[in-house]
Amino acid sequence: NAGVMQNPRHLVRRRGQEARLRCSPMKGHSHVYWYRQLPEEGLKFMVYLQKENIIDESGMPKERFSAEFPKEGPSILRIQQVVRGDSAAYFCASSQSGLGEQFFGPGTRLTVL
Amino acid sequence: DAKTTQPPSMDCAEGRAANLPCNHSTISGNEYVYWYRQIHSQGPQYIIHGLKNNETNEMASLIITEDRKSSTLILPHATLRDTAVYYCIVRVDGAGGKLIFGQGTELSVKP
Repeated sequence: NAGVMQNPRHLVRRRGQEARLRCSPMKGHSHVYWYRQLPEEGLKFMVYLQKENIIDESGMPKERFSAEFPKEGPSILRIQQVVRGDSAAYFCASSQSGLGEQFFGPGTRLTVL
Repeated sequence: DAKTTQPPSMDCAEGRAANLPCNHSTISGNEYVYWYRQIHSQGPQYIIHGLKNNETNEMASLIITEDRKSSTLILPHATLRDTAVYYCIVRVDGAGGKLIFGQGTELSVKP
C-alpha cells in the first residue's frame, strides 16, 4: 500500500508565477490536510479537505492560496503570484476519517526566486 | 486544543532508553495525546497516541500520568536513526482533524 505521494518534490518559481502542489492520499483515505513549514520554523496547519469539500481553512492565507480535493484525482494546493515569503516545505497528510493518526507525505519544497 | 510544553532539546546515548516528557496541564477529558516525529525535514511520522491508558507499539511506549497532565514517550533502545524532532500534540478526535504542532523536542542520539 503506497504511502502519501506528493509532487513535485522540489519546485522553483519566480516571483509572480503560480505554483501547483499535488497530493495523492493513501488508498482508502478521503481526508487530506495541508501543512506548511517555513525555514527554521514549526509546522503550521493550512487546510483540511474531504472529497470535494473544504472542512477547515482557518490556516490558509486570505489571498493567493487555494486548495481543492476533487472527486477524482489528487488534492491540489495552488499559490498564485508567489512571493519570496512563500518559500517553504509544504506537507500533505491523509487519514481514513477525521479521527486518529494522519500519514504524511515527503513534502514539496518550494523555492521562490 | 490544550497547549503542550516540551524541553527544546535532549541527548541520549545509543542503545539506551530515551524518555521524552510532555506537559499538558490543561488537557480536557476528551483530548488524546499524540506523538509524531520529524527526521531531518522529512514528512512527520506518527508514533503513538493514547487517551488515558498507557500504550505500546513496535516503535515506542506512551506513559500518561493518572491526572493526565503530563506524559512520557519512551523509545526503549534508541538508535542513531531516532535522532529527530519529537512533537507532543493534544487533540480532540473528530474536532476538525488538524494537528497543532509546537516547537517539539530535538532528540540527539549519540554513539
